[in-house]
Amino acid sequence: EAAVTQSPRNKVAVTGGKVTLSCNQTNNHNNMYWYRQDTGHGLRLIHYSYGAGSTEKGDIPDGYKASRPSQENFSLILELATPSQTSVYFCASGERGRWEQYFGPGTRLTVL
Amino acid sequence: GQQVQQSPASLVLQEGENAELQCNFSSTATQLQWFYQSPGGSLVSLLSNPSGTKHTGRLTSTTVTKERRSSLHISSSQTTDSGTYLCAIRRQGGRALIFGTGTTVSVSP
Repeated sequence: EAAVTQSPRNKVAVTGGKVTLSCNQTNNHNNMYWYRQDTGHGLRLIHYSYGAGSTEKGDIPDGYKASRPSQENFSLILELATPSQTSVYFCASGERGRWEQYFGPGTRLTVL
Repeated sequence: GQQVQQSPASLVLQEGENAELQCNFSSTATQLQWFYQSPGGSLVSLLSNPSGTKHTGRLTSTTVTKERRSSLHISSSQTTDSGTYLCAIRRQGGRALIFGTGTTVSVSP
């Protein structure tokens, strides 16, 4: 079964600090995604990747960077965290050409 | 505006009642998925149904592609059905899923 894990599960950061959210998948999926979920907006795509070494901007990339150093790992980086980035962040993976996406458990980030 | 709209926003049921959740979308969808999210939890895929009717357990999804709408019918609801149901589409040539804001279902015993 698909296994996507995220760390940390909860994070409190200060405004202006750097935050790195990590995602790991053990299914050898090519595609990985970062979404954020906010009340009234549903899930929105921040960055995605088609494979190791590639990152692409999603619908709301401003203020975020992404890194895909290997097939298994996909990180989301907030260089200068702001309170507006307080949210729940979900990572997902999926096989190229297939419809299903497998989601991680989410990371709750609070920026004070 | 919102590309995927879900209604109602919330729903309260007595155990055993049926429910119908609606999803309307503004773009041609090559993929449509229904997800379940438990309170404070992650997303679990329920059904992929870009067109026609599909069943799984007590769930039935009907998608009318030309009319850009899909429904999810829950029959004989149970308290464990409580949570948020999300509809998501992938547009033709799209990069990833576009989500609606969900319908929160609460089933009381």
